[in-house]
Amino acid sequence: AQTVTQSQPEMSVQEAETVTLSCTYDTSENNYYLFWYKQPPSRQMILVIRQEAYKQQNATENRFSVNFQKAAKSFSLKISDSQLGDTAMYFCAFITIFTGNQFYFGTGTSLTVIP
Amino acid sequence: DTAVSQTPKYLVTQMGNDKSIKCEQNLGHDTMYWYKQDSKKFLKIMFSYNNKELIINETVPNRFSPKSPDKAHLNLHINSLELGDSAVYFCASSQGISGANVLTFGAGSRLTVL
Repeated sequence: AQTVTQSQPEMSVQEAETVTLSCTYDTSENNYYLFWYKQPPSRQMILVIRQEAYKQQNATENRFSVNFQKAAKSFSLKISDSQLGDTAMYFCAFITIFTGNQFYFGTGTSLTVIP
Repeated sequence: DTAVSQTPKYLVTQMGNDKSIKCEQNLGHDTMYWYKQDSKKFLKIMFSYNNKELIINETVPNRFSPKSPDKAHLNLHINSLELGDSAVYFCASSQGISGANVLTFGAGSRLTVL
């Protein structure tokens, strides 16, 4: 079974500080893609970052970076220099090559950036 | 120009009514989806269409019927609405069914059943 676990339902961070959101997943597949999506209060789901499982190098996107540990099936998101606009729900997700377009989402982490 | 647009954004209706939510994407994507987000923010796939063909149909009551007139549109019709149908429904699209493809979401439609 394919599952995604986000063990931190809520987190907070001071503006300009760094925060790490955790995500673990379970799959028997070897080829898959991992994602972090952000859902601000506006409700719009926005892609934050994507990681290909076959790549050892961790993906980065400006202030957002991931720590991908394939053996541990862990995919954490680090947000540096947190900004008020980072306040949102963050969802970890993955898709395997052979299940086509079946995305599996975690239950989300609500992040609040405190001024 | 909105990439994935869904209407209406808000829908309040009585139990037993029938309602539809429309979705259109202008990205040229082949695959479209409906997701349901419940009050606990859990996202669950309902349906997926690839080039107008149904390819994912999760365990969803048959009161929910998707329709894809062309690959740019995927509508969701719900019959005999129940209280438990209250949720935010997201339409999404992706270029194809490869795992390399990213989901692009619409803004969501909040359905409230009274």
